[in-house]
Amino acid sequence: EAGVVQSPRYKIIEKKQPVAFWCNPISGHNTLYWYLQNLGQGPELLIRYENEEAVDDSQLPKDRFSAERLKGVDSTLKIQPAELGDSAVYLCASSLDSHEQFFGPGTRLTVL
Amino acid sequence: KNEVEQSPQNLTAQEGEFITINCSYSVGISALHWLQQHPGGGIVSLFMLSSGKKKHGRLIATINIQEKHSSLHITASHPRDSAVYICAVTQGYQLIWGAGTKLIIKP
Repeated sequence: EAGVVQSPRYKIIEKKQPVAFWCNPISGHNTLYWYLQNLGQGPELLIRYENEEAVDDSQLPKDRFSAERLKGVDSTLKIQPAELGDSAVYLCASSLDSHEQFFGPGTRLTVL
Repeated sequence: KNEVEQSPQNLTAQEGEFITINCSYSVGISALHWLQQHPGGGIVSLFMLSSGKKKHGRLIATINIQEKHSSLHITASHPRDSAVYICAVTQGYQLIWGAGTKLIIKP
């Protein structure tokens, strides 16, 4: 069974440019999470979806970050415009209901 | 005080040694997770525990709900075990993360 798939694995952009990350969860998992992980720190939840509904986006900086999960399967996280401080690893995870979360490999973003 | 505390923060050992990483938590939980993260890599879930003990290969995880404490053990450690090991607890859908233990196994 395929795990959580994320792309790209690495992305380098200049500040003020837009960037998008894609996540395909494990088949059948209705809950999808986007996390941000700064170097040496634990992941911080940005947004949680149950099916296509964003049920917790309280930590998502909505001035520049947006996310969608239109059909309740794969999801896209976008940053526009990117800032230097956005350099981090963006992790996607999925679970069946709110049980054990399975993580993708992450996207390492570098903003120059 | 952090809700999830791990010790030690850093651990360096020789290949073959028995490794123990500890995790204490101060909140009510529905489950405790041990996860592994290699440098530049994603997070891999090793165990999810709500009671007792689980074993997978050379890895053993135990939890004592009354004492709010869990341990992760690695037997016959190998350099490929070098990674950050993270303890996290589940409250509802939220994961509360420990700071992680950076493990280095020298050949």
